[in-house]
Amino acid sequence: DVKVTQSSRYLVKRTGEKVFLECVQDMDHENMFWYRQDPGLGLRLIYFSYDVKMKEKGDIPEGYSVSREKKERFSLILESASTNQTSMYLCASSRASPRPAGSVNEQFFGPGTRLTVL
Amino acid sequence: GENVEQHPSTLSVQEGDSAVIKCTYSDSASNYFPWYKQELGKRPQLIIDIRSNVGEKKDQRIAVTLNKTAKHFSLHITETQPEDSAVYFCAASKGYSSASKIIFGSGTRLSIRP
Repeated sequence: DVKVTQSSRYLVKRTGEKVFLECVQDMDHENMFWYRQDPGLGLRLIYFSYDVKMKEKGDIPEGYSVSREKKERFSLILESASTNQTSMYLCASSRASPRPAGSVNEQFFGPGTRLTVL
Repeated sequence: GENVEQHPSTLSVQEGDSAVIKCTYSDSASNYFPWYKQELGKRPQLIIDIRSNVGEKKDQRIAVTLNKTAKHFSLHITETQPEDSAVYFCAASKGYSSASKIIFGSGTRLSIRP
């Protein structure tokens, strides 16, 4: 059974603080993702990683950075938190696509971190 | 870039009736279309998916249809039950061999009236 965990369920920070959100998966998945979920906007991809030390920007990377030093852990960093980053943050992981190319694997989500920036 | 539009944003149906959620996508190269269900306070979970070489797929009370020409795909839930109440997300992907990036729709909040 795939397990994706996130370091906090609820987090309250102040404007300008540096914020770390941690995600850990225990299924040896190659791919990991960070999304933010806002009402009416669905799940928007912030960053993703398909291998250790590899990262690619998603649709809304501004104001965020990521770190993947180990295969099982993917961190989202808010360098200087702002009120418009108040949101639900969801981490997900998936296996690398099997060969031949063109296949996509299910993404398994963590429970989410509700971040409030005051 | 790729865009996925989802309608309606909210849907209320009588228990036992059918529910239909529709999505359109912009990138004709998309070839994989999953649907995720998120119950209140829980994480999204995959409930069904369809690939571009298939026009329809069924799993018990749930079915998905795909019209590649029109770039439309839909989720159909028959004989709805209270446990179907949730937010449903459609998504599209081009199925890259590495990162499997998925673009999600904005979600549909489905409510089942007793």
